[in-house]
Amino acid sequence: NAGVTQTPKFQVLKTGQSMTLQCAQDMNHNSMYWYRQDPGMGLRLIYYSASEGTTDKGEVPNGYNVSRLNKREFSLRLESAAPSQTSVYFCASSDGLGSDTQYFGPGTRLTVL
Amino acid sequence: AQSVTQLDSQVPVFEEAPVELRCNYSSSVSVYLFWYVQYPNQGLQLLLKYLSGSTLVESINGFEAEFNKSQTSFHLRKPSVHISDTAEYFCAVSPSGTYKYIFGTGTRLKVLA
Repeated sequence: NAGVTQTPKFQVLKTGQSMTLQCAQDMNHNSMYWYRQDPGMGLRLIYYSASEGTTDKGEVPNGYNVSRLNKREFSLRLESAAPSQTSVYFCASSDGLGSDTQYFGPGTRLTVL
Repeated sequence: AQSVTQLDSQVPVFEEAPVELRCNYSSSVSVYLFWYVQYPNQGLQLLLKYLSGSTLVESINGFEAEFNKSQTSFHLRKPSVHISDTAEYFCAVSPSGTYKYIFGTGTRLKVLA
């Protein structure tokens, strides 16, 4: 039982390049989330998927797109990376509504030059 | 809209001393309350949560938090800290009936020998 897995662990991009961050969970959770963590700013929600087939914007969605591929997988895409997107990205999952515990992946450290 | 305030960005404390990490929130609807802990280079993991009932909740490793509705606070306490408690602690709220979580900016607890 791996929980929430994220790939890659580290990535360096040049401005304008694109990439997709992958996230998968094996807990049969309905909801999945993407956050970014920046020093002094805590975690900010980028996008979330309340259930398979649905996605919604969070607090900071600009510059990102997401795909809920199936119940297990939720990917985050940067179409044209910018230095402001340098951050640590966390994927999380939960069983459903906000009363449920969120389970986090180990994170992806992204640097955009 | 909801917000979470963690006024202390860093808290140094000596081993075996008590500690309190403060969390205040603002919300026009009822919320669920959480404390998450993040050890270096890891994702977040749940420490404890308040959903309803007794306002005092405890974790398995000696932390406790008390929900105070009138002061809109959910402070985290431990009567005697260990070196291994060194980590970053995040307070979070989730408005009832939603899928969203709003995190505070985090408090870095450093336990000194």
